[in-house]
Amino acid sequence: GENVEQHPSTLSVQEGDSAVIKCTYSDSASNYFPWYKQELGKGPQLIIDIRSNVGEKKDQRIAVTLNKTAKHFSLHITETQPEDSAVYFCAASISTNAGKSTFGDGTTLTVKP
Amino acid sequence: DTEVTQTPKHLVMGMTNKKSLKCEQHMGHRAMYWYKQKAKKPPELMFVYSYEKLSINESVPSRFSPECPNSSLLNLHLHALQPEDSALYLCASSPPGGINIQYFGAGTRLSVL
Repeated sequence: GENVEQHPSTLSVQEGDSAVIKCTYSDSASNYFPWYKQELGKGPQLIIDIRSNVGEKKDQRIAVTLNKTAKHFSLHITETQPEDSAVYFCAASISTNAGKSTFGDGTTLTVKP
Repeated sequence: DTEVTQTPKHLVMGMTNKKSLKCEQHMGHRAMYWYKQKAKKPPELMFVYSYEKLSINESVPSRFSPECPNSSLLNLHLHALQPEDSALYLCASSPPGGINIQYFGAGTRLSVL
């Protein structure tokens, strides 16, 4: 089955700096890669996603890059703000295999004011 | 309406109790999921319903019994739980069309005494 590794497990940055979280996956059939943000006391919320036919996607301060050859994808957050502090999970799935998403172990991001 | 609503938010139950968790969405999604999440861990898939039929059961103990009465509702019936079942229980839903975008509810925080 699919295996997703996520690094780092914790990340602390100063407000205004950039943050990068990286994930690798094992199944070359995976073609959908979402990122979720989970704040304390809440469920995970989708913040950005990318499909295997795209190399990069941006949404304001957030971007995701995908390298299919190397089987890794990364989340980039620029100009970090204290409200970006949360746990971030990457995931990988095959879009025709409804329900079976494999999550990374999560990264706890702390943005210091 | 872009929400997945879960009730109750918190639940405390004894090992002999029977209780139910409820999940509701009105986005027209036809796939609904139950996840279990322990502290500082990613969500673990328990069940998937696709078009009101159980499509995935991840070898979950029979003390957890899912039910999908209609396309908007998902229940999780609990009976004779163990203290190690204490966790955050998350519901999610996905739109039809073979896309694994998942929208999560805020979860039910369950404590088994």
